[in-house]
Amino acid sequence: SQQGEEDPQALSIQEGENATMNCSYKTSINNLQWYRQNSGRGLVHLILIRSNEREKHSGRLRVTLDTSKKSSSLLITASRAADTASYFCGQGASISSGSARQLTFGSGTQLTVLP
Amino acid sequence: NAGVTQTPKFQVLKTGQSMTLQCAQDMNHEYMSWYRQDPGMGLRLIHYSVGAGITDQGEVPNGYNVSRSTTEDFPLRLLSAAPSQTSVYFCASSMRDRAAYEQYFGPGTRLTVT
Repeated sequence: SQQGEEDPQALSIQEGENATMNCSYKTSINNLQWYRQNSGRGLVHLILIRSNEREKHSGRLRVTLDTSKKSSSLLITASRAADTASYFCGQGASISSGSARQLTFGSGTQLTVLP
Repeated sequence: NAGVTQTPKFQVLKTGQSMTLQCAQDMNHEYMSWYRQDPGMGLRLIHYSVGAGITDQGEVPNGYNVSRSTTEDFPLRLLSAAPSQTSVYFCASSMRDRAAYEQYFGPGTRLTVT
């Protein structure tokens, strides 16, 4: 399986602190995507970083990608209670399996931001 | 745009029953996928479609059928429900190559098989 893993599985921080989540993967990727899932909802796309990029920013989000270590990290700065959610990384494969390239997800990091 | 819609939101089935989970999108996306989400397992791909008339198997296809007669709709059929199919099911769509573009997810269907 190409499935990667997020680390840690759970993270609890105080409002205003930064939160860092990591994602490791096993095979070659075209890109890596981060998603957020609020309780009882579907996943919402946050940011996509391509394999030839090393860092990307979007508002309070900062994503890094190290293809030599097959890992990525998501940093949320100045966290808010509303950031409480599960965060997933999706690895976009660089080659096709079947009729299309695969996007596979890890099991996620549950972030709790305490007010 | 409504985005990706799924019906029903909740469903309880008895073992052996069949049913169809509906998924529709109004964004004219080519790619559509079905995932199941189980605690501690992340999302696993069941079936996907790269366009009307074309479907393919994902990681966990057994016990499920799909068809794609239109661009908008991608129903998932459970042939004979089993307790192991108790899960939350998500439909997703993307503009083109799913692995290269962001996916839009529906709100999910929570299925319990007794």
